[in-house]
Amino acid sequence: GAGVSQSPRYKVAKRGQDVALRCDPISGHVSLFWYQQALGQGPEFLTYFQNEAQLDKSGLPSDRFFAERPEGSVSTLKIQRTQQEDSAVYLCASSFDGSGELFFGEGSRLTVL
Amino acid sequence: AQKVTQAQTEISVVEKEDVTLDCVYETRDTTYYLFWYKQPPSGELVFLIRRNSFDEQNEISGRYSWNFQKSTSSFNFTITASQVVDSAVYFCALSPNDYKLSFGAGTTVTVRA
Repeated sequence: GAGVSQSPRYKVAKRGQDVALRCDPISGHVSLFWYQQALGQGPEFLTYFQNEAQLDKSGLPSDRFFAERPEGSVSTLKIQRTQQEDSAVYLCASSFDGSGELFFGEGSRLTVL
Repeated sequence: AQKVTQAQTEISVVEKEDVTLDCVYETRDTTYYLFWYKQPPSGELVFLIRRNSFDEQNEISGRYSWNFQKSTSSFNFTITASQVVDSAVYFCALSPNDYKLSFGAGTTVTVRA
């Protein structure tokens, strides 16, 4: 498709499990972003890539969160030893030029039991 | 620190009524960017507008219009002659660098037929 694609759309994990969320940005988009959206709240910035370089990871809440984009296209957000407070929708977005005009995917809803 | 306040949690209108969404922001930066995004029930945030702090000109795009007032730190959004398809959560966002967005909590707009 032409849009940002995220998988899985829904993930249920037991507390302590590791999860991996995938994002396939729009072809040709240099910049890729991850945001976390808790229920009833606005999205919160996690991290930003320009091509394969992670330029800003200031929003990652703990060292259990790790993101990569090794070839400058697909990105994976990994959460280790999941906790209940990690339950949220994880949104991926891309932009052509790194501006705030972002194209978002539909998100991956993570529920940690 | 960046902060965006959307004081209206929910607004309900009848089709064809106008609706104005308030957005007040706080920042110490002299240069910054303001955004509005729409999040329909599908969950995918859709970009509506991006405005930099040096451009206080109001903007109209079809039934949408935006009023940026630096003196009151506000960036309000009006939907004229609302339609059922306008029902969504609308987020105002602020960024110091045009990529790391700080979102407000959102305003849920319900347009009744």
